[in-house]
Amino acid sequence: GAVVSQHPSWVICKSGTSVKIECRSLDFQATTMFWYRQFPKQSLMLMATSNEGSKATYEQGVEKDKFLINHASLTLSTLTVTSAHPEDSSFYICSALEGLSYNSPLHFGNGTRLTVT
Amino acid sequence: KQEVTQIPAALSVPEGENLVLNCSFTDSAIYNLQWFRQDPGKGLTSLLLIQSSQREQTSGRLNASLDKSSGRSTLYIAASQPGDSATYLCAVAAGGFKTIFGAGTRLFVKA
Repeated sequence: GAVVSQHPSWVICKSGTSVKIECRSLDFQATTMFWYRQFPKQSLMLMATSNEGSKATYEQGVEKDKFLINHASLTLSTLTVTSAHPEDSSFYICSALEGLSYNSPLHFGNGTRLTVT
Repeated sequence: KQEVTQIPAALSVPEGENLVLNCSFTDSAIYNLQWFRQDPGKGLTSLLLIQSSQREQTSGRLNASLDKSSGRSTLYIAASQPGDSATYLCAVAAGGFKTIFGAGTRLFVKA
């Protein structure tokens, strides 16, 4: 089946530094990818929609300058948390749409646990 | 604004029991509904995808139904096993390729 690889699976960084998270579709091309944030025991909150070759669309309340998204190819999207602070500590998950229609299945990465000290 | 609600929030059952997880959504204009499984600290694994034109999907011991008009879906798990313990998430695909998630049902199957 379709596989989405997310890297790293966990990262610890110091406050003020930046962290990049990669999301790759391994056996299919993904024009559209999504980035989610999940707080403990809560559901996934959509942060932004990433489209290959264009600017990401951010959800209301998500700071685009703090969470930089780049979708430079059909198999790779990156999320960079800039000037990270402890409140940015969370579980970040990416997903990739396998196909171009609204009925296309959505495949998820295994997530990245970010801890900012 | 589409909202997805899952009931119950948590469920504990003995091994072997059949169980039903519920999902409701407020806007029936959906493209599909998907059930996922999430293990602690992990990503999501897709279990079943039901297109808006379908009524149900089956995979092994899992059966998911969809009633778009009433805004409801159920996930039926037959003969539950301890390995089924996880959080089950329901998600609906709305316009603009957005997928809206419910808060999940945490299932614990006791051996």
